Amino acid sequence: GENVEQHPSTLSVQEGDSAVIKCTYSDSASNYFPWYKQELGKRPQLIIDIRSNVGEKKDQRIAVTLNKTAKHFSLHITETQPEDSAVYFCAAEGGKETSGSRLTFGEGTQLTVNP
Amino acid sequence: NAGVTQTPKFRILKIGQSMTLQCAQDMNHNYMYWYRQDPGMGLKLIYYSVGAGITDKGEVPNGYNVSRSTTEDFPLRLELAAPSQTSVYFCASSWPQGEAFFGQGTRLTVV
Repeated sequence: GENVEQHPSTLSVQEGDSAVIKCTYSDSASNYFPWYKQELGKRPQLIIDIRSNVGEKKDQRIAVTLNKTAKHFSLHITETQPEDSAVYFCAAEGGKETSGSRLTFGEGTQLTVNP
Repeated sequence: NAGVTQTPKFRILKIGQSMTLQCAQDMNHNYMYWYRQDPGMGLKLIYYSVGAGITDKGEVPNGYNVSRSTTEDFPLRLELAAPSQTSVYFCASSWPQGEAFFGQGTRLTVV
């Protein structure tokens, strides 16, 4: 099945700086890579996603890049703000034949943006 | 549009008791998932389903069971509760390669 590794586990930045979170996956048939934000005590919510036919996607201050050859993808947050502080999870949806199309999450990154 | 509805929100169980966590979605999604999240940790997949009548084990299925008799409902059964099952449980649903919508979570404590 799919295995997703996420780094770093904690990240502290100053307001206005950029933050980068990286993930690797194991199933070469995986083709959908979402990122979720989870605020304390709340449910995870999708912030951006990318599919295997796209190398990069941007939505205002958030961007995701995908390198299918190397099997890794990254989340980039620019001009960070205190409200960006949360736990961020990457995920990969495995190939139907290899991982049963299940959505597997990384371990999460606790991002803290210091004012 | 309610999205994904989980019940109950909180529950305290005694060791050895059983219970069912309910999950219902009204978006006609094929895929449904059950995850558990221990404090400060990530989301571990317990069971998932790609359609009515089809279920499969995730990473941590031991001590749990599921059924998917309809597209809308995906209950999670805990048999013989153990302290190790103390966790927050999230149900989610999605289309293939689509956004997963999560329920509000069930905070379960086994004492």
